[in-house]
Amino acid sequence: ELKVEQNPLFLSMQEGKNYTIYCNYSTTSDRLYWYRQDPGKSLESLFVLLSNGAVKQEGRLMASLDTKARLSTLHITAAVHDLSATYFCAVGSDKLIFGTGTRLQVFP
Amino acid sequence: DVKVTQSSRYLVKRTGEKVFLECVQDMDHENMFWYRQDPGLGLRLIYFSYDVKMKEKGDIPEGYSVSREKKERFSLILESASTNQTSMYLCASRSILGPPGSGEQFFGPGTRLTVL
Repeated sequence: ELKVEQNPLFLSMQEGKNYTIYCNYSTTSDRLYWYRQDPGKSLESLFVLLSNGAVKQEGRLMASLDTKARLSTLHITAAVHDLSATYFCAVGSDKLIFGTGTRLQVFP
Repeated sequence: DVKVTQSSRYLVKRTGEKVFLECVQDMDHENMFWYRQDPGLGLRLIYFSYDVKMKEKGDIPEGYSVSREKKERFSLILESASTNQTSMYLCASRSILGPPGSGEQFFGPGTRLTVL
């Protein structure tokens, strides 16, 4: 059974700092997704990672995938308040299994 | 842009009522999904549909059924609502013909259901 674990579950960080969110999964998968969810809103797709070594960047966010280690990271560079949200990773092809999410709070 | 809409943002029902949650997508996507989201549990798949009139159970189908009579519409039915079905319900759709291997799911705004 595929399981997806994220850590940390909650992250409070100061503006301008860097941090990384980790996503581990238990069985082989060829696709990994990162989503963002603002309070009371739906999920917005951030990144789709399709192969080992894949790296994608958008603004202050960079996601990478290591399929051998079954690990994906979401790196935040020089955080700003607008990045405050909950971030989910999800693994799978037809059906997605989601991590429990990382709630990120960026304060001045 | 892909648009996935859900019939209600907020819904309050009583125990034992039959509840219908509707989801419509406008991009001719083949696959559609229903999830529920609960604090600390992330998103869990209830049912999904590969295409019209096709359905598959997800991880937590008990107490739910679905209907997909038209490609653009996927309905989630709570036959007899119970308090433990109070949750946020999210619908998603996906094209199997998108960029090779992408499989990205697009989500609707969600329905927050409260069962009293």
